[in-house]
Amino acid sequence: DTAVSQTPKYLVTQMENDKSIKCEQNLGHDTMYWYKQDSKKFLKIMFSYNNKELIINETVPNRFSPKSPDKAHLNLHINSLELGDSAVYFCASSQEKAGGSGEQYFGPGTRLTVT
Amino acid sequence: LAKTTQPISMDSYEGQEVNITCSHNNIATNDYITWYQQFPSQGPRFIIQGYKTKVTNEVASLFIPADRKSSTLSLPRVSLSDTAVYYCLVGPIKAAGNKLTFGGGTRVLVKP
Repeated sequence: DTAVSQTPKYLVTQMENDKSIKCEQNLGHDTMYWYKQDSKKFLKIMFSYNNKELIINETVPNRFSPKSPDKAHLNLHINSLELGDSAVYFCASSQEKAGGSGEQYFGPGTRLTVT
Repeated sequence: LAKTTQPISMDSYEGQEVNITCSHNNIATNDYITWYQQFPSQGPRFIIQGYKTKVTNEVASLFIPADRKSSTLSLPRVSLSDTAVYYCLVGPIKAAGNKLTFGGGTRVLVKP
């Protein structure tokens, strides 16, 4: 069983479209995250939810909106996509409350390409 | 969170031991040192975590000197499949609201 899964794995879309990425974890963790990894491989945290409550909200454009219907799911919706949004987006989960350096389990990533 | 500095890249050969040193001069008393491994086209994977002295598991060893201002990840007898990016992170285990920051990591290339 995959611990943290993301769909889709690849997403190619045009500018100004709206798209969503879904994430699910079956580890029973309370905390989930979204990270963005750019072409230089720097991994930056975007959002974190603890039991459906937003804990970390980095300086991310309003076009990005996370939604957590339950503690096992954290989806990322992106409005009006821009070229600069092209990156790999990783979902992660952890048992520790958001922000701590307790072990995080990462999904396989979603490679978003905006043309 | 304490800032970390690690080499951008390292080359090694199969069967050798690889040691990656991470500097974290501003480490705080309640900070732990954590290492992640990331293979191409995959998410990072937790390798090891420690607070002081030495920690060893089935994958690696982590050496932390008494002043804790640096740490060394040791990968024994690497194979081609150990080619990956290795990230050093420093921060408290439980710190709601703080952000776990991944730097650029160290690209390790294992050659035949």
